[in-house]
Amino acid sequence: DAGVIQSPRHEVTEMGQEVTLRCKPISGHNSLFWYRQTMMRGLELLIYFNNNVPIDDSGMPEDRFSAKMPNASFSTLKIQPSEPRDSAVYFCATWLAGGGEQFFGPGTRLTVL
Amino acid sequence: KNEVEQSPQNLTAQEGEFITINCSYSVGISALHWLQQHPGGGIVSLFMLSSGKKKHGRLIATINIQEKHSSLHITASHPRDSAVYICAVSFGNEKLTFGTGTRLTIIP
Repeated sequence: DAGVIQSPRHEVTEMGQEVTLRCKPISGHNSLFWYRQTMMRGLELLIYFNNNVPIDDSGMPEDRFSAKMPNASFSTLKIQPSEPRDSAVYFCATWLAGGGEQFFGPGTRLTVL
Repeated sequence: KNEVEQSPQNLTAQEGEFITINCSYSVGISALHWLQQHPGGGIVSLFMLSSGKKKHGRLIATINIQEKHSSLHITASHPRDSAVYICAVSFGNEKLTFGTGTRLTIIP
């Protein structure tokens, strides 16, 4: 398996633009997590899905952020409109129930100018 | 206050030294994870443990449930061990809460 795949790896955009980050989980993993990492706050959970259903979105900072998982092999995290304070590395991770460890994607480094 | 505290925040050591990184948490957990993040940014899970000790190569992780404390040890440290080591805990589900990380630098 290729592991967790994220795209794009780098995104530079201007304030106010819509940003869409994508994640393809490891096949068969039934939980998917979106994390954000910044120098100030470290790693934070934004939202996670179990069997494609959002379970906990309490970490989503505000209404500008939304996430979807239309099927077991794809998830998106959207920011609209983007702001400079959204600049961070966004990680997707997946987990197989009972499997223990989470598997992280390579991350998307987002810069909002 | 972060529920997960790590120490030290930064650690520099000579190649070959024995390394210890500590993690304390404030409430009961179901599992504790140690993660490694290399300068390139990728995050890899090293250990998940809920009791006792686990060993993988030169890495050893221990946890004391009563004291709410875990340690990550590296024996015979090598420059390639230079990375940020992150402790994370879960509370009965798969949701993780992270420590702030320990930046380890091993000097040849």
